[in-house]
Amino acid sequence: KNEVEQSPQNLTAQEGEFITINCSYSVGISALHWLQQHPGGGIVSLFMLSSGKKKHGRLIATINIQEKHSSLHITASHPRDSAVYICAVRSSTLIFGKGTRLHILP
Amino acid sequence: DTEVTQTPKHLVMGMTNKKSLKCEQHMGHRAMYWYKQKAKKPPELMFVYSYEKLSINESVPSRFSPECPNSSLLNLHLHALQPEDSALYLCASSQAHGRGGGAYNEQFFGPGTRLTVL
Repeated sequence: KNEVEQSPQNLTAQEGEFITINCSYSVGISALHWLQQHPGGGIVSLFMLSSGKKKHGRLIATINIQEKHSSLHITASHPRDSAVYICAVRSSTLIFGKGTRLHILP
Repeated sequence: DTEVTQTPKHLVMGMTNKKSLKCEQHMGHRAMYWYKQKAKKPPELMFVYSYEKLSINESVPSRFSPECPNSSLLNLHLHALQPEDSALYLCASSQAHGRGGGAYNEQFFGPGTRLTVL
């Protein structure tokens, strides 16, 4: 079993829809990162959180340490949000999930 | 300056060539990282430098040779690579390297170098 599991693996939605991507982990962590990667591109850090909730523009990230679960939400999704969203947890190094491939249709 | 830069963006090389990838940051970070990412896979850690010293080598073959000439620069020297080494090579940096959850451990990634080995 992977130490970091993301769901769904792939998600296609219409522009404007509310998007939720989930991440569960099985190891002790000090922080959890949500990262964004556009096709063929580098990685952008969206959030780093160790408790509670963070919001940046249309993006919201939450984490429940007791349940070892985090969610990334996108409100009013837009085609430019199409990318791979990666959950990574900080243990001794960063442990990456396999990513969620999001495609927003215009 | 809050970015990590990598050069070149693309590199095509033969199996007998010697080439180098470069990574630079001017955020005063003291930890720098090399990752390898194959298509549709998450990044895999290769090396970690902390205070210009190699602190983690994830059993990477010797045909990959990292170098940290100073706290702002990280190189990856390539020699006698195989076609299966073709991938996106990502550099990252953080204020420090450790287990903590503080902001000093947050990694900032570069755009990557897409390497093709023929």
